[in-house]
Amino acid sequence: DADVTQTPRNRITKTGKRIMLECSQTKGHDRMYWYRQDPGLGLRLIYYSFDVKDINKGEISDGYSVSRQAQAKFSLSLESAIPNQTALYFCATSDFGREPGGKETQYFGPGTRLLVL
Amino acid sequence: LAKTTQPISMDSYEGQEVNITCSHNNIATNDYITWYQQFPSQGPRFIIQGYKTKVTNEVASLFIPADRKSSTLSLPRVSLSDTAVYYCLVVGSRAAGNKLTFGGGTRVLVKP
Repeated sequence: DADVTQTPRNRITKTGKRIMLECSQTKGHDRMYWYRQDPGLGLRLIYYSFDVKDINKGEISDGYSVSRQAQAKFSLSLESAIPNQTALYFCATSDFGREPGGKETQYFGPGTRLLVL
Repeated sequence: LAKTTQPISMDSYEGQEVNITCSHNNIATNDYITWYQQFPSQGPRFIIQGYKTKVTNEVASLFIPADRKSSTLSLPRVSLSDTAVYYCLVVGSRAAGNKLTFGGGTRVLVKP
């Protein structure tokens, strides 16, 4: 979805390096998410943010940190990259709260392919 | 959070109807059932969402029985481009502080 952009799209880094993946959205949504996907597997939630001041750990937050700089921006950092963090990373936004009864649709960015050597 | 169970994979042929059933025995009263589609190296894309009975859009139909413990995504007359992974999710209410949980999904392979 062009309303959710991720940079960079591809990144190669070395073990021990700190890197940041950025996500921007123009949908005006409060909720944003970071997922990682490993080959042949589903998505696993790393961190999520329900608004600028509300950031929560997901199921696999160890080794990662996030920053919600504004409603439109949500960055994911790998403090000291390791090879098993090689994966495809997706950012998503959610329209939760805009539909009655708790309906929610997530909108995903194109993904960042990260290789840690 | 309601857990979902769906088949790991399904094969079909062009022009056939594909039905994927998802089990969600612990679905709560206010939960919605949502399906996403994911092509290789792309982010998942919303397909359809429903609460009960039947929902239809230009892409698919979603059938939900009265007890809501399962749901079936129906893809009519599939083409090769429908080859993808399909995820079934149960989306909770705001009171539950819900977040979406993606399982392994169902890999659908459409053959010529």
